[in-house]
Amino acid sequence: EAQVTQNPRYLITVTGKKLTVTCSQNMNHEYMSWYRQDPGLGLRQIYYSMNVEVTDKGDVPEGYKVSRKEKRNFPLILESPSPNQTSLYFCASSLDSDQPQHFGDGTRLSIL
Amino acid sequence: QKEVEQNSGPLSVPEGAIASLNCTYSDRGSQSFFWYRQYSGKSPELIMSIYSNGDKEDGRFTAQLNKASQYVSLLIRDSQPSDSATYLCAAKGSGGFKTIFGAGTRLFVKA
Repeated sequence: EAQVTQNPRYLITVTGKKLTVTCSQNMNHEYMSWYRQDPGLGLRQIYYSMNVEVTDKGDVPEGYKVSRKEKRNFPLILESPSPNQTSLYFCASSLDSDQPQHFGDGTRLSIL
Repeated sequence: QKEVEQNSGPLSVPEGAIASLNCTYSDRGSQSFFWYRQYSGKSPELIMSIYSNGDKEDGRFTAQLNKASQYVSLLIRDSQPSDSATYLCAAKGSGGFKTIFGAGTRLFVKA
């Protein structure tokens, strides 16, 4: 089954404790992306990757890091999480940036 | 800042009616546009993509693109209560690889 898998689905943690949200796709997609969704603000792109070892900032990259060492994986790293990063996060992938994206089930992060 | 604007709603229509959802975008160079549906607590799922001016139909859904006026719309015919969701408009920005989403329009279809 074609899918984008995110883990964990839910996480409550404390300020400053490094965390990683994993994302994996099994569709051999080149384009992968991370979004955060906040009430009234819609989906905002954090980082995206056009292919292995090629990443770039979206509209809200501050406080986040990503890597793309393998085509299927695109982890999101919060080195020192802060309460303003409490949000619902989605990973998505597509064949390329002009194609529709497939979304993971989401990760709800709460930073206390 | 490149933007995609949608009326947040809620838009309420009776069952069987046509629901009309609108979206405007600021990046005149955008070429790829998408409508996603998102049920509460779920992830977005693709309804339609559109790349050329005009209409594109898929079942009860019709997407309309007017690049000169920089708007995209989605019509839902014979609306059903199961269509009640938030509809997200998205545009692929020009000059790069970013995707920009609107804040979404909430649609309620009353039985």
